[in-house]
Amino acid sequence: EAQVTQNPRYLITVTGKKLTVTCSQNMNHEYMSWYRQDPGLGLRQIYYSMNVEVTDKGDVPEGYKVSRKEKRNFPLILESPSPNQTSLYFCASSKQGANEQYFGPGTRLTVT
Amino acid sequence: AQSVTQLDSQVPVFEEAPVELRCNYSSSVSVYLFWYVQYPNQGLQLLLKYLSGSTLVKGINGFEAEFNKSQTSFHLRKPSVHISDTAEYFCAVRRSGGAQKLVFGQGTRLTINP
Repeated sequence: EAQVTQNPRYLITVTGKKLTVTCSQNMNHEYMSWYRQDPGLGLRQIYYSMNVEVTDKGDVPEGYKVSRKEKRNFPLILESPSPNQTSLYFCASSKQGANEQYFGPGTRLTVT
Repeated sequence: AQSVTQLDSQVPVFEEAPVELRCNYSSSVSVYLFWYVQYPNQGLQLLLKYLSGSTLVKGINGFEAEFNKSQTSFHLRKPSVHISDTAEYFCAVRRSGGAQKLVFGQGTRLTINP
């Protein structure tokens, strides 16, 4: 089954404790992206990747890092999480140039 | 740059009633337009998209949307809703022929009452 998976689905952590949210797709997609969803703000892009070893900032990249060492994986790294990063995070992927993006199930992160 | 405004944050309707969810966009270049649906505790699923051609587009689950270039709108409609349509709906745009970045609206929570 074609899908985008994220782990963990839920995470509660404390300020300053480094964490990684994994994202994996099995559709051989070139393009991958991370969004955060906050009430009243919709989804905002954090980082995206056009292919392996090619990443770039989205609209709200501060406090986040990403890497793309393999085509299928696009982890989101929070080196020193803060409470304002409490949010619902979505990973998405698509074929290069395609119009439909496929979204993962989301990761709800709470930073206390 | 593109921006999207969804004019209603919440829309309550009764089952079997018609519904319209409003979306306006702003862009200095041609855009593609999308509606996504998010059911409770799930990711986003594409409902429909407008790329070119006929301004009335039909999607899954009986939804349709009309692209109006002069009013820069892309409103979503369904003639008769069901309890299962309860979800959050997002309008999104991306620059046509350009980067694949989607710009989302704030979302509209559709609640269907029996």
